[in-house]
Amino acid sequence: GQQLNQSPQSMFIQEGEDVSMNCTSSSIFNTWLWYKQEPGEGPVLLIALYKAGELTSNGRLTAQFGITRKDSFLNISASIPSDVGIYFCADLNAGNMLTFGGGTRLMVKP
Amino acid sequence: ETGVTQSPTHLIKTRGQQVTLRCSSQSGHNTVSWYQQALGQGPQFIFQYYREEENGRGNFPPRFSGLQFPNYSSELNVNALELDDSALYLCASHRTGGTEAFFGQGTRLTVV
Repeated sequence: GQQLNQSPQSMFIQEGEDVSMNCTSSSIFNTWLWYKQEPGEGPVLLIALYKAGELTSNGRLTAQFGITRKDSFLNISASIPSDVGIYFCADLNAGNMLTFGGGTRLMVKP
Repeated sequence: ETGVTQSPTHLIKTRGQQVTLRCSSQSGHNTVSWYQQALGQGPQFIFQYYREEENGRGNFPPRFSGLQFPNYSSELNVNALELDDSALYLCASHRTGGTEAFFGQGTRLTVV
């Protein structure tokens, strides 16, 4: 089956720094979704991307759907302590079933 | 808060036992999906229910089964529990054709 590879696996940054993480796929995607999961909670959708080349922002978050349709990146600008969590990329297939990557764990030092 | 509630929040079971996990979907959402999230990994799709019928299944054995009720709530049943079944089980609900799935907080199952 298709695989989603996220990198880096973890990041430990200083508050105020910008963050970049990415996700690559072994196959072409029609949808890229970025989720955040905090301890004790389920994943929450941050950004959804539907077209190759699409660049979408949600506050301090920006994500892009790669031109090859096999990758996507998520940037967080001016990180704050509440950005701590695990960030997942995911594909949504025609049956509304999600395939998740392994996640990037973000830790922010105040 | 997403409106999707799961119970119980934590559960400890012995290998070989059976377990039932419950999920109440968000109002107006007729599709429910279940995911298994092992420690340090992303969620893995188990199956999906739409109008009380299984509507898709991931790579999980038949001892993982489910139900959806007329009010769209759902149950996940796991028979003959194995140690590797220890994980966070997530329920997600969404409208048919909708792209956003709303997740509950999960049930942490530990098999000893």
